[in-house]
Order: sequence, then C-alpha cells, then structure tokens
Amino acid sequence: KQEVTQIPAALSVPEGENLVLNCSFTDSAIYNLQWFRQDPGKGLTSLLLIQSSQREQTSGRLNASLDKSSGRSTLYIAASQPGDSATYLCAVKDNAGNMLTFGGGTRLMVKP
Amino acid sequence: GAGVSQSPRYKVAKRGQDVALRCDPISGHVSLFWYQQALGQGPEFLTYFQNEAQLDKSGLPSDRFFAERPEGSVSTLKIQRTQQEDSAVYLCASSLESGSGNTIYFGEGSWLTVV
Repeated sequence: KQEVTQIPAALSVPEGENLVLNCSFTDSAIYNLQWFRQDPGKGLTSLLLIQSSQREQTSGRLNASLDKSSGRSTLYIAASQPGDSATYLCAVKDNAGNMLTFGGGTRLMVKP
Repeated sequence: GAGVSQSPRYKVAKRGQDVALRCDPISGHVSLFWYQQALGQGPEFLTYFQNEAQLDKSGLPSDRFFAERPEGSVSTLKIQRTQQEDSAVYLCASSLESGSGNTIYFGEGSWLTVV
C-alpha cells in the first residue's frame, strides 16, 4: 500500500526566504505526483503536477522536482510571501487505480 | 457553476443520526471522487465514480457509508448511524476524466461534527 510522508509537518519562516518542502513515497510505481495548497476552511488547489516521466515542473515562484527511483519530491518556494501561508499537500497517483494518496501536509507560515 | 459545490458546508449530527452530503461537480466532468480529511491530516480516498458507475469504493470505512451518482452528475455521500469518529471534512473532487493531464478540482468540503 502506498504511503506518503511530508516533512516538516510545520514551518515558520520570515518573509523573503527561499524554502523547501519535502515529500516521500514508498512505492515508486507512480503515474504522477501533485502538489496542492489548502487554505484554512477551504478545499485544495492544484499547484503543480509532475508526470512520472518528468523530473520537474515550474510555475512562477514554485518549482517541484521528482526523483521517482528514490521516492522523493520537493517543492521549492522562492522569495516567500505572507500570502504563501497555507498547508501544502503532496499526493501521488499510482499506476493502478484512480485515487490520490496524500501526505499529511506541511503547514507553512510566512511572517511579515 | 464555476467550481465544485458542496452542501451543507457545516453539519452537526447527533450520534446515531443519518446524514447526507451533496456534491455538484463541474458540469461535464466525468470523474468524481470523495475524500475524508480528519483534522490536521491529509485527505483519504473514499470512493470514485466514472459517470454514474462507482468504479472504486475501497476507501469506504464501513458499510455505514454509501455513495451514489445516479445520473452521472450530482453525487450524494450518505453516512448512516453516525459515530464520533466520522467527524471530519468530506471533500468532493471532479475532473474531466481520470487521465494523467487532467486537473482535479476540489470543493470546499462539508464539515461534519458528530456529538
């Protein structure tokens, strides 16, 4: 059974810092990996999707990398802003099945 | 509507009561998913529909949980004889299809508290 772990569980940084969020998964037979953002009391918003054949994806100040063989992904946020404060969730879709398996999330607070 | 709509947003149920949670996916979306999210944790898969067909219900935690999508659009998640451990946010999501490149859109969730 696929298991997804995110480290750290919580992170507080001053505005302007570059930061890295980590995600690991136990079964490397994945179809794709996604990073989501969740604001308090809200649903999830997809940030980046990386196909299993890809190594990274970029959107604005966000960059996500994927190392399938080692079961790891990182989300890099450049020049963090208070508006980046949210919970960031990593999710994988396995080759078998249609569901996403989520990590527990990293709660990020960016202080002005 | 513009996004996935869920109702009610908040529900307080007495232990033993039945509840029904509704999801209106984005028009034309074939795939529909239900997830359960406990406080401080990531969402966990409950069930998946492709049009009206329930193709995967492996995540439903017990036979008290039942989901349907009779016309391939609106879906209802029903929980019978609610228990305290059912307290969670129930998230609905939809996508055009369950393909590799299709974006999945989540609703804001139905927050269930069982007292």
